[in-house]
Amino acid sequence: AQKVTQAQTEISVVEKEDVTLDCVYETRDTTYYLFWYKQPPSGELVFLIRRNSFDEQNEISGRYSWNFQKSTSSFNFTITASQVVDSAVYFCALSADNAGNMLTFGGGTRLMVKP
Amino acid sequence: DAGVIQSPRHEVTEMGQEVTLRCKPISGHDYLFWYRQTMMRGLELLIYFNNNVPIDDSGMPEDRFSAKMPNASFSTLKIQPSEPRDSAVYFCASSLAGTQNTEAFFGQGTRLTVV
Repeated sequence: AQKVTQAQTEISVVEKEDVTLDCVYETRDTTYYLFWYKQPPSGELVFLIRRNSFDEQNEISGRYSWNFQKSTSSFNFTITASQVVDSAVYFCALSADNAGNMLTFGGGTRLMVKP
Repeated sequence: DAGVIQSPRHEVTEMGQEVTLRCKPISGHDYLFWYRQTMMRGLELLIYFNNNVPIDDSGMPEDRFSAKMPNASFSTLKIQPSEPRDSAVYFCASSLAGTQNTEAFFGQGTRLTVV
């Protein structure tokens, strides 16, 4: 069975602060994918990143960065210099390699960035 | 490509009525997923198809729910009879497996309200 835990249900920061969203996962699969999706107030699910279990390199995309640590089963997401437009619910998700990206989602973290 | 298209965007129906949600996946994608999002349970997988064949429907809450995929470009999720506790946002997603493995692309969702 797979499980994704996002312990932080809600985070509030002031604009320009850095913020890290935590994600811990459980799986028995040796090959799997990890994802982050953003759900803005408009409700759609926006894909942010996918990593496979063999690639532990950290990734940076603009103000976003991801830290994948297999040893602790974590895939944390950091937003640097947060902006009001970053306010959204962020979901971490897990997929087994042979399941066509069938996702097990975490409970989500609601990020509020105040001006 | 226009992305995953769901209809209707909003549906309000009375308890006991039949409800049909529709989804057009991205052309060429071989996996299709139906997810439900509620405050209580978060995002949960209901059923998914591979090449139009249902693979796992263990997430379907009960017999009142049924899903079909008559061809590669269309899927339906039907609730009959509907109940107030079915009120949720229903997302359809599609992806491509194999050597050109993609992430899951989500539709805009259908917000269902059963009164």
